[in-house]
Amino acid sequence: KQEVTQIPAALSVPEGENLVLNCSFTDSAIYNLQWFRQDPGKGLTSLLLIQSSQREQTSGRLNASLDKSSGRSTLYIAASQPGDSATYLCAVRWYGNNRLAFGKGNQVVVIP
Amino acid sequence: ETGVTQSPTHLIKTRGQQVTLRCSSQSGHNTVSWYQQALGQGPQFIFQYYREEENGRGNFPPRFSGLQFPNYSSELNVNALELDDSALYLCASSLLGLDTEAFFGQGTRLTVV
Repeated sequence: KQEVTQIPAALSVPEGENLVLNCSFTDSAIYNLQWFRQDPGKGLTSLLLIQSSQREQTSGRLNASLDKSSGRSTLYIAASQPGDSATYLCAVRWYGNNRLAFGKGNQVVVIP
Repeated sequence: ETGVTQSPTHLIKTRGQQVTLRCSSQSGHNTVSWYQQALGQGPQFIFQYYREEENGRGNFPPRFSGLQFPNYSSELNVNALELDDSALYLCASSLLGLDTEAFFGQGTRLTVV
């Protein structure tokens, strides 16, 4: 069964620390993987998209890596700020499947 | 701003009623997907529309149906509402078959009482 897992469900970090969020997935035959941010009660904001042929993507303070063989992706947020407080969702699209499969998300609180 | 707009933003319905949610896709995108997100959960795929035809469906009953219009906008219809249908409904637009990102709207919060 194709599943996406994000652990831990919630975490708190002091402002200025680097954030490391993990996403694991069964079945390495992925098409691409996308990281999203969600503020409470709001829609999803796309952060980074990694194609299956890529090892990482970077945008500003954000860096996402992909290791298909181990079924993992990691989102790094450098020098966290209180404004980074949100839920971060990982979503996978597998070959032959036109849907995004989501994890339950990591709820992050950055403490000033 | 993603360019994907959903309406309404909130609504309250009574069990047994029917509801229609609307989504305008981002300019240039030909595919619309709908997701249901229960509180504390990740979004679950309902179905996808491409060229006005359903192009894949998740594990949702037939009382969940949809439409896509020639301008690529879309509707999600839910009949015979149940309490468990209370959720955030998200619409995503993308280009089919290309390695592009999916962009989401702000969602519609449906409460069934």
